[in-house]
Amino acid sequence: DTEVTQTPKHLVMGMTNKKSLKCEQHMGHRAMYWYKQKAKKPPELMFVYSYEKLSINESVPSRFSPECPNSSLLNLHLHALQPEDSALYLCASSLDRAEVYGYTFGSGTRLTVV
Amino acid sequence: DAKTTQPNSMESNEEEPVHLPCNHSTISGTDYIHWYRQLPSQGPEYVIHGLTSNVNNRMASLAIAEDRKSSTLILHRATLRDAAVYYCILTTLRETSGSRLTFGEGTQLTVNP
Repeated sequence: DTEVTQTPKHLVMGMTNKKSLKCEQHMGHRAMYWYKQKAKKPPELMFVYSYEKLSINESVPSRFSPECPNSSLLNLHLHALQPEDSALYLCASSLDRAEVYGYTFGSGTRLTVV
Repeated sequence: DAKTTQPNSMESNEEEPVHLPCNHSTISGTDYIHWYRQLPSQGPEYVIHGLTSNVNNRMASLAIAEDRKSSTLILHRATLRDAAVYYCILTTLRETSGSRLTFGEGTQLTVNP
């Protein structure tokens, strides 16, 4: 298995809803990442987990809450989002020393906040 | 991490080679040069990466200047499927996992039939 799987592929949610995005990989990668990508812009890093511990939070608003229950799974819990949070949310994973071995990305969840 | 500079857009014809340049004049000795591409409506896809020597794989070749201040991604025969945004990114070797991969604006490659 050489993939990062993200579910759902599409999500529409209201501003008062609570929803979660899920990311899974079975490549034995111990680092996992959340990125946000607005239309026509490059991906922006949100969070990094290393060995199931949060190692980087790029000053993301608390309405986004990441969770890494185990080494294969990464969640992003969403609550009280704003329409400007509509974007493509990408998950990625890597081995240790990602600089040496590279990163694997999922195909993303397209989120629309109404 | 050091910055990279890429042209906003490039055009190529199908079945011709494509050379995508990247400048990284402030690269440090522990920076790896990574290339990813992103097709429409998909996540970024790993293309190739290297440190000092030129690299080849089934997708592309990476030519790294001797002073490492620039590199070129080479697609040997462009196909329509290669139309994408190509990102050149530097990542710094760290002692722990979970590093940053910081994307710039990238180069939009258009392939003409």
